[in-house]
Amino acid sequence: GAVVSQHPSWVICKSGTSVKIECRSLDFQATTMFWYRQFPKQSLMLMATSNEGSKATYEQGVEKDKFLINHASLTLSTLTVTSAHPEDSSFYICSASPGHSNQPQHFGDGTRLSIL
Amino acid sequence: QKEVEQDPGPLSVPEGAIVSLNCTYSNSAFQYFMWYRQYSRKGPELLMYTYSSGNKEDGRFTAQVDKSSKYISLFIRDSQPSDSATYLCAMRNSGGSNYKLTFGKGTLLTVNP
Repeated sequence: GAVVSQHPSWVICKSGTSVKIECRSLDFQATTMFWYRQFPKQSLMLMATSNEGSKATYEQGVEKDKFLINHASLTLSTLTVTSAHPEDSSFYICSASPGHSNQPQHFGDGTRLSIL
Repeated sequence: QKEVEQDPGPLSVPEGAIVSLNCTYSNSAFQYFMWYRQYSRKGPELLMYTYSSGNKEDGRFTAQVDKSSKYISLFIRDSQPSDSATYLCAMRNSGGSNYKLTFGKGTLLTVNP
């Protein structure tokens, strides 16, 4: 149980385009999902907390206009990287946990984004 | 001082060895402690999840939490080449599962056949 699916797993696109990444909780409902960014050989860096039906909460230094987050249902959150540039190339990972207060977070398999 | 300290390694051991991975932390409000395993270019996979102090065992894995020392450990018995990965410790306070995690930097482990 507690499976989180992320799509796509790898995307390559030209500079200036926008890219949407989906995060789905497959067998549970998640009122909150988290989006992380990870650089090679580094730990996860929290970008934002996505709340179903309300605005996301962004961490300090993360541009909310660059990284648009939508959490329209209890099983789906999306991250859109707008007008992507090579410096946005990274590994993006989402996580979610079932609504019970003592449940751990489970992670998707990540999306490798390469901007040419 | 960082909230969570974890030796990044790398750590290299022979197959069958007992592996000990550790994290220290400074925030006494942390109540829930996790160990995740991350293979290259994959998302973290939950290995162990513990609350407060004590031990928890699951197969070859044992997690220990010592809140008085602000120290957590993960032991891997009879290590296998398939255990080669980065191990991340993570923790959060008692506010609920929707509270964000604080991660260690991760320890890169290689188990040699």
